[in-house]
Amino acid sequence: QSVLTQPPSASGTPGQRVTISCSGSNSNIGRNNVHWYQQLPGAAPKLLIYSNNQRPSGVPDRFSGSKSGTSGSLAISGLQSEDEADYYCAAWDDGLNGRVFGTGTQVTVL
Amino acid sequence: EVQLVQSGAEVKKSGESLKISCKGSGYTFSSYWIGWVRQTPGKGLEWMGIINPHDSDARYSPSFQGQVTISADTSISTAYLQWSSLRASDTARYYCARAYLSTSWPDYWGQGTLVTVSS
Repeated sequence: QSVLTQPPSASGTPGQRVTISCSGSNSNIGRNNVHWYQQLPGAAPKLLIYSNNQRPSGVPDRFSGSKSGTSGSLAISGLQSEDEADYYCAAWDDGLNGRVFGTGTQVTVL
Repeated sequence: EVQLVQSGAEVKKSGESLKISCKGSGYTFSSYWIGWVRQTPGKGLEWMGIINPHDSDARYSPSFQGQVTISADTSISTAYLQWSSLRASDTARYYCARAYLSTSWPDYWGQGTLVTVSS
């Protein structure tokens, strides 16, 4: 039902770089910022990236975000075991006049 | 330290009413909006609505308009999410979260409240 589409899963070995995509449309990512949340197992979501590429205080610089056209992207470089979590993109949708979340991507560290 | 502490898990029957809470601390409660998010295995994260505790200006996502009521009491730094008649489809974990503006994305989140509704 979500209007933002993410791959269901992604994986990598420790130290690798993993990239997660978030595909939207002109009514959401095309016109508005993309944000990213990390949800560790059994925990609440945590703001990881806001306004496409900004990191809140305390978020390691291993995490980076970008936006191009109607898609956003989250990169995790130097993957660590504690990065195993679900990751969600989010954006405002002008057509729905509300916030929408992505379908979520489960990241596994092999 | 900013904290949002939510009320405990609830088990209800279809048709019953329910009000869950979210108590803020470590910041000026009335200076930030409080949003509510539903999480289910099938639909993932869904934005429900948001309230400005200062003046109780509440704004709902179209999918949840008329289905729930969001309120707040600044005297006890607490926001609420309530249902007048629960359905089995309301079974989910509900999170409250703090946002600086009505259009901002939340930074701090509560721990979540699991609501289970049996038919």
